[in-house]
Amino acid sequence: ILNVEQSPQSLHVQEGDSTNFTCSFPSSNFYALHWYRWETAKSPEALFVMTLNGDEKKKGRISATLNTKEGYSYLYIKGSQPEDSATYLCASTPMDSSYKLIFGSGTRLLVRP
Amino acid sequence: DTAVSQTPKYLVTQMGNDKSIKCEQNLGHDTMYWYKQDSKKFLKIMFSYNNKELIINETVPNRFSPKSPDKAHLNLHINSLELGDSAVYFCASSPGTFSGNTIYFGEGSWLTVV
Repeated sequence: ILNVEQSPQSLHVQEGDSTNFTCSFPSSNFYALHWYRWETAKSPEALFVMTLNGDEKKKGRISATLNTKEGYSYLYIKGSQPEDSATYLCASTPMDSSYKLIFGSGTRLLVRP
Repeated sequence: DTAVSQTPKYLVTQMGNDKSIKCEQNLGHDTMYWYKQDSKKFLKIMFSYNNKELIINETVPNRFSPKSPDKAHLNLHINSLELGDSAVYFCASSPGTFSGNTIYFGEGSWLTVV
């Protein structure tokens, strides 16, 4: 993998469903993995920054895991609510370009009431 | 109070014009960035400044010139605007250049060149 890839591109779920999506990144050139929540016309909001293999972070109903050896991270949302509707972006900081984030194209989540 | 604020939020201008987008952060951060959301919706870094010094300059046309009068401000000036410059431009800041720092973004400036 040369770039950061996210899947699925979009996701529609019912209120109360739990859901998860994937971020894949180059494992051979990795320093940190960032997750952002982004509503259109608002600032992308930082959710998590993870650096260690096996890291797991949680914020309310949202959690994320990190596997640096195989180059992926999962974001989980438990009991989705309509206010969780947003685009979820992940970004990798490469080891050799440590000042910048390489973003995926995002997963757009729509939670139906 | 908005942590990272950028103005204007919307800008429509004609080809060939010169325009600026201003950015200010009140977080006391040392590092500021400009990102561009490209046509495929990816956010891509353009520039980064640390304590007013340029540390990243991605392959951006030299019609784009960032200016940092102090570490709380990073303005983006664009000369001779082209149709392809139409995009959303995001300013951001972080406490320093450490890769594990959280980066805080502004709300974006929607530039349309006609």
